[in-house]
This record gives sequence, C-alpha cells and structure tokens, in this order.
Amino acid sequence: GAVVSQHPSRVICKSGTSVKIECRSLDFQATTMFWYRQFPKQSLMLMATSNEGSKATYEQGVEKDKFLINHASLTLSTLTVTSAHPEDSSFYICSASRGRTGELFFGEGSRLTVL
Amino acid sequence: AQSVTQLDSQVPVFEEAPVELRCNYSSSVSVYLFWYVQYPNQGLQLLLKYLSGSTLVKSINGFEAEFNKSQTSFHLRKPSVHISDTAEYFCAVSPGAAGNKLTFGGGTRVLVKP
Repeated sequence: GAVVSQHPSRVICKSGTSVKIECRSLDFQATTMFWYRQFPKQSLMLMATSNEGSKATYEQGVEKDKFLINHASLTLSTLTVTSAHPEDSSFYICSASRGRTGELFFGEGSRLTVL
Repeated sequence: AQSVTQLDSQVPVFEEAPVELRCNYSSSVSVYLFWYVQYPNQGLQLLLKYLSGSTLVKSINGFEAEFNKSQTSFHLRKPSVHISDTAEYFCAVSPGAAGNKLTFGGGTRVLVKP
C-alpha cells in the first residue's frame, strides 16, 4: 500500500519555541493532506485540510496563526506549532489523499511534548 | 453534519474469544463507513470500509462489519481474537467514498488477555 511518513515521530521542546512536523507521501502525489490532533485516550480531531499550492482550510476552533500549515509540493505538507505551550502537547497525525479516488493513507503520527 | 458514537470505550476479551465493537452514526446525508485500527504510538490503518453493495464487509485478518441502514450501525466483529489484535479501533464516516473529511468516533480500546 501507499506510504505516508511523518517526521519527527517524537519531539520535546521548551515552552515558547516553535516546532515543525513534516508529512510526506513517499510513493504518490497527494493533492490534499489532512492534519489531525489526538489527545490521550481520545479520538482524532480534524484540524485542517491542506491543498497543494493554496491556503489550508481550518476547522472551527483551530487557531490558524498557532498551527501553520504549508503544502508546498505534492508530496510534502508541514505543520508548524508556533510558540508552543504545554497544552499543545498531543499526538499529531497527518493523512494524504491519493489519486482520483482520494483514498486516504495515514502517517505514523508525531508526539509533541512541550515542557 | 455527521456524528459517530462508539458505545464501548474499552473492551477486555480473552484470546480466541469473539469480540464485537459497536458503532452507531447519524448524518443528514448519505455517508460511507470505515473502521480504522491504531496500534500503540502509531498512525491509523484502514481495517475495512463499506461503500456500497453487500452490507457485510470483511478484512484480510478476520474482522468483519455489517452495515445496517435502518439502525444506522456499522458494528465490527471478529469470531476469535489474537493477542496481536490489542489496539484502539475507530469507527468513522465520510460524505465521500474516498474517506476524506472523516468524522471519527471516540474509539474502543480492545485489550486481549491470554
């Protein structure tokens, strides 16, 4: 099956710093990527939809200035958590949409811990 | 708008016993249904999906789910679980067959005991 890779898988940072998470589709071009946030023992919450070459569409309640999303190429989308705080600690997962059917493939997730 | 309810947050089960994970949904439009599995500290993997046709869909590792339109349910079952089935299972719906714009249920944690 198709492969979507996230990097880093784990990151620990100090409060106030910014962290970038990458999501790559390794063997297909993804015109659309999605970013989710998962709190411990909870479900995934869609944060935003990222389309290549255009601005991301954020879900209600998600701060677009806090969570910067860039989809500069058909194989890469990045999520930058700006001025991170402990409450931003979470598991962030991306998914990429492949082909005309738009079938989704998920990355392995990135665990962010803000101290 | 859609919503998904997974009635059981945790299901302990003994190895080789059957398991059923319940999923109910509500939607103002037609939706497609999915089950995903998440192993610890990993992303999600598609387990199976219902798009159309036969209401009973099966995965390659022994899971099956049945779409019941009248009851708006999509329960997941496996007749005999293995230790390796220990994971979190998420039911999801999408207005598109591709599964974009997924709305997830709260998840059910399956703990298989020897």
